[in-house]
Amino acid sequence: EVQLLESGGGLVQPGGSLRLSCSASGFTFRAYAVSWVRQAPGKGLEWVSTISASGATTYYADSGKGRFTISRDNSKNTLYLRMDSLRAEDTAVYYCAKDREQWLVLWYFDLWGRGSLVTVSS
Amino acid sequence: QSVLTQPPSASGTPGQRVTISCSGSSSNIGRNTVNWYLQLPGTAPRLLIYSSNHRPSGVPDRLSGSKSGTSASLAISGLQSEDEADYYCAVWDDSLNAVVFGGGTKLTVL
Repeated sequence: EVQLLESGGGLVQPGGSLRLSCSASGFTFRAYAVSWVRQAPGKGLEWVSTISASGATTYYADSGKGRFTISRDNSKNTLYLRMDSLRAEDTAVYYCAKDREQWLVLWYFDLWGRGSLVTVSS
Repeated sequence: QSVLTQPPSASGTPGQRVTISCSGSSSNIGRNTVNWYLQLPGTAPRLLIYSSNHRPSGVPDRLSGSKSGTSASLAISGLQSEDEADYYCAVWDDSLNAVVFGGGTKLTVL
């Protein structure tokens, strides 16, 4: 089955750190750019970060620059998001999502995981 | 405040045609293609339209997308109860160097 499955979410104190993982199956993970998109409770979608198929190029929204690090391990078919210096406004469901086209970064996502909830609170 | 502006709500009766607009600027919609997503409550988003007017397999042809200048639209004809959901437009913004989403439109089937 073609799917993405996030893990690693939970409750963390302000200023703390967390690493999200996204495990891919059913497709050639190493051929696709993948991204993180988040959704605060009751709010809309917000792009967080993207990494190219090879992992050589990364992109970040201003909200996460300097605090978030996206990475991937193509040998493990896994995407990661390391989040440091977390703030209350980072509270959201974090989705991983794959680009539709192989080898390119075209910014449209045809496969999404179910999401992982991150709550930043004391 | 979203970079892309969508109406917060839209509605129609079964069988009607509904259009959802997405207004942007020269740095995003004016230069790049637009993508549309549907999100049912409690579920992950789903790609409906990519590159402004292309449908992924499995998306019915009663859904269509268009773009003109700095605006884009999603049209749904033959409205059905299962179309009731939140709809988001998204595009790459050359000035922000970021993917930007519209604020979302909640579609109600009356």
